[in-house]
Amino acid sequence: IQLTQSPSSLSASVGDRVTITCRASQGISSYLAWYQQKPGKAPKLLIYAASTLQSGVPSRFSGSGSGTDFTLTISSLQPEDFATYYCQQLNSYPRTFGQGTKVEIK
Amino acid sequence: QVQLQQWGAGLLKPSETLSLTCAVYGGSFSGYYWSWIRQPPGKGLEWIGEINHSGSTNYNPSLKSRVTISVDTSKNQFSLKLSSVTAADTAVYYCNRMVRGVPAYYYMDVWGKGTTVTVSS
Repeated sequence: IQLTQSPSSLSASVGDRVTITCRASQGISSYLAWYQQKPGKAPKLLIYAASTLQSGVPSRFSGSGSGTDFTLTISSLQPEDFATYYCQQLNSYPRTFGQGTKVEIK
Repeated sequence: QVQLQQWGAGLLKPSETLSLTCAVYGGSFSGYYWSWIRQPPGKGLEWIGEINHSGSTNYNPSLKSRVTISVDTSKNQFSLKLSSVTAADTAVYYCNRMVRGVPAYYYMDVWGKGTTVTVSS
């Protein structure tokens, strides 16, 4: 299953609302997770089951969608949110990731 | 608090076998799948494969002929071997814990810090 994220990169300011989309090449129900990765660090789980917030993750992060179309939203971008975001499908093997969306400072 | 500590050789020559181990501290080893992910320099994430405490494995078909993931439950450790490496296998390799819950509660929530593996003659 191929996952296509859009955009591949974006520039935004602190306080902006940011939306990243992830489209699956076939239906994956709600078996989708979102991760944040900062340079030189391991990915960090943000959202699982498409819309469930991982414990300890700020509530400004939210996820939605099912089937083939999914969205990660950051309601008010904070300085620590500048990073690369990946979606991952866990509906079938092999587990696959989107190509990533880099969120940069405007 | 579960922590994963990983180690292994960081510099390999072409045709050698990559070998990495990941140890699980502070939590249960059973009831989860344990997986390996890699990330080539400047690129995205690639799933390599997974294993559970019983030794049941799943591999990425693109690597299946060269990959072996094994488990040592007595030490709460799991290992990755990738044979016949080439420069294309140069990457940061991560181990992690995968949760399989219901409904659709599948996710990778605890990650090792990563091991940089370089393949060069």
